[in-house]
Amino acid sequence: DVKVTQSSRYLVKRTGEKVFLECVQDMDHENMFWYRQDPGLGLRLIYFSYDVKMKEKGDIPEGYSVSREKKERFSLILESASTNQTSMYLCASSLLPLGQGVFFGQGTRLTVV
Amino acid sequence: TQLLEQSPQFLSIQEGENLTVYCNSSSVFSSLQWYRQEPGEGPVLLVTVVTGGEVKKLKRLTFQFGDARKDSSLHITAAQPGDTGLYLCAGEDRDDKIIFGKGTRLHILP
Repeated sequence: DVKVTQSSRYLVKRTGEKVFLECVQDMDHENMFWYRQDPGLGLRLIYFSYDVKMKEKGDIPEGYSVSREKKERFSLILESASTNQTSMYLCASSLLPLGQGVFFGQGTRLTVV
Repeated sequence: TQLLEQSPQFLSIQEGENLTVYCNSSSVFSSLQWYRQEPGEGPVLLVTVVTGGEVKKLKRLTFQFGDARKDSSLHITAAQPGDTGLYLCAGEDRDDKIIFGKGTRLHILP
């Protein structure tokens, strides 16, 4: 079974802090994604990566950056956390073509106070 | 911008009833997936449909891809409390991007 593991289930951070969300997948997938999920807004793509050291902006990249130094690891960085970044963050991975399905981690519920 | 519209947004029914939820778009998709998400967890892939008109069954769940590959439906027979969750559809577009619908929140009452 594909396993996508996010480093934390719950995080509470202060406004202005730099926040790192880590994600590791064990199935040698080329693609990795970071989404945030908010009530009424659904899943919104923040960044994705098709290969090591490659990154592409998604629909809402402002205030975020990413790092992919190894194929299995994709990190999301909140440069200076703000209260409007309080959300559920979901990491995912997939093979190409994407139609084979996307595999999600368990999610990180981030609260910025 | 391509959109996937899911309906209904919310559905609450009694255990044992049948139900159908829908996923519609004006765009054609190469493939379409259905996911179920339980509270506090990530979505889990249920099925992928690829061919227009394709029907796939997963126990009491029946998934159908529209002939024109623009829409899909999920039918649940004899719903059980364990079917409760958020059902998401997602389509792969021509640019190899995945588009997610906002989901149908299903609650099965015991």
